[in-house]
Amino acid sequence: ETGVTQSPTRLIKTRGQQVTLRCSSQSGHNTVSWYQQALGQGPQFIFQYYREEENGRGNFPPRFSGLQFPNYSSELNVNALELDDSALYLCASSMRGQGSYEQYFGPGTRLTVT
Amino acid sequence: DQQVKQNSPSLSVQEGRISILNCDYTNSMFDYFLWYKKYPAEGPTFLISISSIKDKNEDGRFTVFLNKSAKHLSLHIVPSQPGDSAVYFCAAENQGGKLIFGQGTELSVKP
Repeated sequence: ETGVTQSPTRLIKTRGQQVTLRCSSQSGHNTVSWYQQALGQGPQFIFQYYREEENGRGNFPPRFSGLQFPNYSSELNVNALELDDSALYLCASSMRGQGSYEQYFGPGTRLTVT
Repeated sequence: DQQVKQNSPSLSVQEGRISILNCDYTNSMFDYFLWYKKYPAEGPTFLISISSIKDKNEDGRFTVFLNKSAKHLSLHIVPSQPGDSAVYFCAAENQGGKLIFGQGTELSVKP
């Protein structure tokens, strides 16, 4: 069974630039959620994708957007990067509709905005 | 508005003793609670969960207790081992699959 993978591991961007982060879900899972974890805080929900559609969104501006592909992998896009976007971005996969609430996380992408 | 709170940023325990990590929540509509463990440079690892209709769930050395009237849950680790040293997050599941996390408690188990 393949776990959740994310790429890249880390990257550095300049304020105003755009970034795309990628996630491959655990085999057998059909739902992907994205979280932002700032230093010293717990992860904060950005949005969730199920069947290639956004299925719930947290308190993040529209410049945070995403995609889910037919193979259930996902992308997180952030436009017009701000310094406060510097954080660990976590992707989690789960199997919706099976009565299970557990989400399984990837190792994260460390984004630094300068 | 912090719906899930972990009020102890850190906890230090001797190897072999019990570790008790606490978590409080405000929303009585949460229907599932989870504990995750996180090592540096890794994503959170799922540990154990509990449905809101139960008051206890046990898995090996890990037991989670839920007190709905107090809106409080706790994670007990016994016996504690040095490899348990990590940051522990409690999370509550909101209808629709959104997890709301606490701020985390850093557990240090000393040999």
